[in-house]
Order: sequence, then structure tokens, then C-alpha cells
Amino acid sequence: GAVVSQHPSWVICKSGTSVKIECRSLDFQATTMFWYRQFPKQSLMLMATSNEGSKATYEQGVEKDKFLINHASLTLSTLTVTSAHPEDSSFYICSARERRRGNSPLHFGNGTRLTVT
Amino acid sequence: ELKVEQNPLFLSMQEGKNYTIYCNYSTTSDRLYWYRQDPGKSLESLFVLLSNGAVKQEGRLMASLDTKARLSTLHITAAVHDLSATYFCAVDPNNAGNMLTFGGGTRLMVKP
Repeated sequence: GAVVSQHPSWVICKSGTSVKIECRSLDFQATTMFWYRQFPKQSLMLMATSNEGSKATYEQGVEKDKFLINHASLTLSTLTVTSAHPEDSSFYICSARERRRGNSPLHFGNGTRLTVT
Repeated sequence: ELKVEQNPLFLSMQEGKNYTIYCNYSTTSDRLYWYRQDPGKSLESLFVLLSNGAVKQEGRLMASLDTKARLSTLHITAAVHDLSATYFCAVDPNNAGNMLTFGGGTRLMVKP
């Protein structure tokens, strides 16, 4: 079945540094990928929609200059958390849907646990 | 603004018992998804419900959708310990199979 790979699985960084998270669709093409954030014991909140070849669409309250999204190809989207702060510590999950399968479920990556010290 | 509410948020049950998780949503949608999440892991797709009256079953889990009532249920039959996880419903407000709004999740603990 369709697989979405996220890397890294976990990362610890110092305040003020930037962290890049990659999301790849391994066996299908995805014109659109989605980035979610999940705080401990909470639900998933959509942060932004990543569109191949164009600018990402951010949800209300998400700073686009802080969470940089690049969707350079049909199989890769990246999320860069710039100047990270401890409050950015969270579980980040990407998702994608197969381009040609209209009713297929979204496939989720394994997530990236970010800890900012 | 679309709201998706699940209840209960936490459920502790004995093995062998039956229970139902409810998912209510506030806007019209014909697409609803159920996912399972194990601690520290990502989401696993369980069911895709695409029309009013849709019912799907997989093992001890059965999901249904009533779009008129804006309600989906996830029924657990004869629970086993392996079903312990957090279950999320998610609604597709645009019926486009893309961005989802998630419920708060139901943390299920099945005691042996």
C-alpha cells in the first residue's frame, strides 16, 4: 500500500536553531501534502497545505515565516521550523493522498517528535 | 468553523465487552474517516465512509455514518487488549478527500 515516509523520527535542538523535516511519498505522487501538529494527548491540528510548485496555504494562527514549507516535487514536501522555541516542541505529522485515487484515505507519515531545549 | 466532537474522550473497558464511540460534526459532509493511533506513533487508517448509511466492518470494529444526523459511530465488539489505542474520527468538510478536521480522540484502554 501507499507509504509516506517522514524524516527524522525525532530531533532535539537548541532554542534559536532551525530544523527541517522531510515528508516523502514513496510509491505514489502527491500534488498536495498536509502538515499537522499534535501536542501531547491532544488531537491533530492542521497547520498548512503544501502544494507542489506553488506556495503553501497556512491555517489561521500559523506563522508562515516560522514554519517554512517547500513542495519541490510530487514526492517531497519539507517543513522547516525556523528559530525554534520550546513552545514549538510537538509531534509533527505529514500526510498525503494518492494523486489519482479520489476516494482513498490520507496516508500519514510516522511523525517527527521535535523537542526544543 | 467546523467542529468535530468525539465522546467519550477516555474509555476503560474489560475484555469481551461491547462499546460505541460517537463522533458528531457541525457541518454537512459526506466523507468521514476513522484512524487509530498507538502511543508515540502515527495514524493508521481504519475506515473510509463516503455516503449516508455507509457501514464498514473490520474484525471487531464496525463504523457507520449518518450524514443527516452528522454522526458517525465506531462500535467495538468483544473488545480485546490489542484494541487499546487512541481512535480519531476526521471529517472532510470539502468532500475533496484532502484536508481533514479531527475530533479530539478517544483513548481506549481494554483491560485483560
